[in-house]
Order: sequence, then structure tokens, then C-alpha cells
Amino acid sequence: DAKTTQPNSMESNEEEPVHLPCNHSTISGTDYIHWYRQLPSQGPEYVIHGLTSNVNNRMASLAIAEDRKSSTLILHRATLRDAAVYYCILRDRKGGSNFGNEKLTFGTGTRLTIIP
Amino acid sequence: DARVTQTPRHKVTEMGQEVTMRCQPILGHNTVFWYRQTMMQGLELLAYFRNRAPLDDSGMPKDRFSAEMPDATLATLKIQPSEPRDSAVYFCASGPSGTQYFGPGTRLLVL
Repeated sequence: DAKTTQPNSMESNEEEPVHLPCNHSTISGTDYIHWYRQLPSQGPEYVIHGLTSNVNNRMASLAIAEDRKSSTLILHRATLRDAAVYYCILRDRKGGSNFGNEKLTFGTGTRLTIIP
Repeated sequence: DARVTQTPRHKVTEMGQEVTMRCQPILGHNTVFWYRQTMMQGLELLAYFRNRAPLDDSGMPKDRFSAEMPDATLATLKIQPSEPRDSAVYFCASGPSGTQYFGPGTRLLVL
């Protein structure tokens, strides 16, 4: 499995944008970039995913470098509820089923603290 | 909102006892996953099913763990006999196509 590298922890002020980086220098052409987050005492929650182009949804934006060796999850206006561990995961779209390799390998993620 | 449900939410048991954890995936999702989370190991995939058939259980200790899907609305994870090192939070997740939706977890403590 291609590996991702994230900072162990980050802090941000409430109501400011947050940029969470992820390096994946060994990414293959068939890897999707997925982001999940885990709020305290809850199960992980899907945030966003992309392949090559930047993606936006109601929760966040995903900016993918042109060479795809890094990506950034952007929370446009952090709230206290966004305090969580954020995981950047590569998922191979080939292999397994028609949907690709469905397995996700979670690393240690980035623990985001929001300062009121 | 459709959600994955898990029961029980908490379980305390003694070493050697059988533990059964249950999961109801989101209706229509054909892929179901079992994970275990501990402070030391983080989130680990134990097993997963597609269309109720087991596809991968390589992460599961075979001698004491078993996972089944008796029907499309129920997945079970059993530990027999349980050991203190099995203490962890066990998550079930389901998905339609590559994206996984997680349940709230079962927090297991084996004394």
C-alpha cells in the first residue's frame, strides 16, 4: 500500500481556515486520495476524496498537487466541532471489485485542535 | 439520515467468556467491514464482506475470532474465548462503492 505522511498535530483558531497537509510521494496513478476524520468517542467519518482534480463538498475542499505527490484538506472556517483526528488515505481504484480495492489502511493521522 | 448501528455500545466481560458484537449496515450497502481500534495499534481492519461473502479476514486472529453475515441486515463478530488483549473499540462500517460509513463502535473491556 502506498504510504501517506501527515503532521502528528496542528492547532487553529476558531472561525479561521485550516489547511491540513498530506504527503504521498509514492502514489500510483490508480490511487484515490481519501480523507476521513474521527471526532472524540466516535467512529471515523468520510470527509472527501479525489483523484486528480480539486474537489469541494459541504464539509471541505481537497486540493491535489499537479504531480499528485501531496494534497491538502481545507476547512474553510473551522469550528470547535471540527476538532478531530484527520486521516489521509490512499485507496487503489484497481483490484478487488468493480469499485477497486475497497480496503482502507488508516495511519496515525493529524490531531487538529481548535482554539476558541 | 441512514446510519450504521452497533450493539452493544459497551461490554465488560471476564476472560474466557464469549463476546458477540452486532452490526446493522445501512440498507442497500453491499460491503461491510469490521475494524478494531486501540491506542497502541490504531485502527486495524479485521475482516470485510461483499454481498455477505467474506472477502478478506487476514487481519483477524483466526483461532478465537469469527465474523459472519447471516443476512444482509446483520453482521456479527464473535470472540471465543475472550482475552484481556482483546480490549478495544470495535467498529463496523458499510459502504456502497469505496466510501465507508462507520458505526459508533462497541467498547469492549475484557477483565
